[in-house]
Amino acid sequence: KAGVTQTPRYLIKTRGQQVTLSCSPISGHRSVSWYQQTPGQGLQFLFEYFSETQRNKGNFPGRFSGRQFSNSRSEMNVSTLELGDSALYLCASSLQEGYNEQFFGPGTRLTVL
Amino acid sequence: QKEVEQNSGPLSVPEGAIASLNCTYSDRGSQSFFWYRQYSGKSPELIMSIYSNGDKEDGRFTAQLNKASQYVSLLIRDSQPSDSATYLCAVIGNTDKLIFGTGTRLQVFP
Repeated sequence: KAGVTQTPRYLIKTRGQQVTLSCSPISGHRSVSWYQQTPGQGLQFLFEYFSETQRNKGNFPGRFSGRQFSNSRSEMNVSTLELGDSALYLCASSLQEGYNEQFFGPGTRLTVL
Repeated sequence: QKEVEQNSGPLSVPEGAIASLNCTYSDRGSQSFFWYRQYSGKSPELIMSIYSNGDKEDGRFTAQLNKASQYVSLLIRDSQPSDSATYLCAVIGNTDKLIFGTGTRLQVFP
């Protein structure tokens, strides 16, 4: 069974631009969660989607948003990029929402100049 | 107090020894606990999950959970240089969010 895939793998943007990242979960998995990983803050939860609905949200500003499609694929968008948004963005999928084991994709490395 | 705390390390152990990684959490209502391994430049890989008090063994790995002490640990037996990585403890509490510790870097030397 194929794992979680994320595109693009690397991205370079400038301040003020916006970016859209994509995640395809493991086949049959219906929950997708997004995380931001930086050296200083570690792994921080952004949001979780299940059945096209946002089920949970972390403590990030409204510039960070996401959505999930009927095939469980998910996208996250960051608008008005700031230098501090440079990070590894990780997507994880699980069978259902809540307490289940989550499996991570390879991540998208975003650099904001 | 951080929600999930781990010693950042590095924890250095010789090849063949037992590596012991520890994690404490603050939310007493937490129900699900996970250990992830992350190699440098790679994404986290799930290696163990544990939901009830006691020990859970999987190959060379043993996860231990003590909810009364709010403590979860990971033992790696017969440590190998290939085990050298950062080990992340993660907990799902009452908020239903997966909260990660900052990780412990393990170094296994030949």
